[in-house]
Amino acid sequence: AQRVTQPEKLLSVFKGAPVELKCNYSYSGSPELFWYVQYSRQRLQLLLRHISRESIKGFTADLNKGETSFHLKKPFAQEEDSAMYYCALSPHQAGTALIFGKGTTLSVSS
Amino acid sequence: ETGVTQSPTHLIKTRGQQVTLRCSSQSGHNTVSWYQQALGQGPQFIFQYYREEENGRGNFPPRFSGLQFPNYSSELNVNALELDDSALYLCASSLRGFSEQFFGPGTRLTVL
Repeated sequence: AQRVTQPEKLLSVFKGAPVELKCNYSYSGSPELFWYVQYSRQRLQLLLRHISRESIKGFTADLNKGETSFHLKKPFAQEEDSAMYYCALSPHQAGTALIFGKGTTLSVSS
Repeated sequence: ETGVTQSPTHLIKTRGQQVTLRCSSQSGHNTVSWYQQALGQGPQFIFQYYREEENGRGNFPPRFSGLQFPNYSSELNVNALELDDSALYLCASSLRGFSEQFFGPGTRLTVL
């Protein structure tokens, strides 16, 4: 079955601390993986995707096919990073349905 | 360039009623996907429309149906509403062949 698991409901860190939001997936083929973010009172928006290998707002994510993981990392958290983060999988390269995890709330305090 | 818009913002219905939610896709996008997000959960795929036809469906019963119009806007219809249908309904538009989906602000449906 296709599934995305985000084991942490809430992650609280201090400003300047490293952040790692975990994401594991279950899919037999070669999916496309994404991280979406939702800031307070804003709509869901794409943060990054594995095929572009970009660093967005200091965040990076590496696809580990052996461990079926796509963890989101940032070396130094900022207060403006506080948001809800969703890991998502698309079974097809053309980008059809997105399968989301339950999300992790990141809270960064000073 | 205008983003994805959805109407209404909030809606309250009673069990057994029918509801229609509307979505206008982002300019230039030809594909619309609908998601249901229950409280504390991630969005769940309902279905997708491309060229006015359903192009993929998640694990939702037939009482969830949709339409896409020639201008790529879309409707989600839910018949015989149940209490568990209470959720945030998200619409996302995209361009066929491209993976990024752009989300609307959602419609909050409450079923009493």
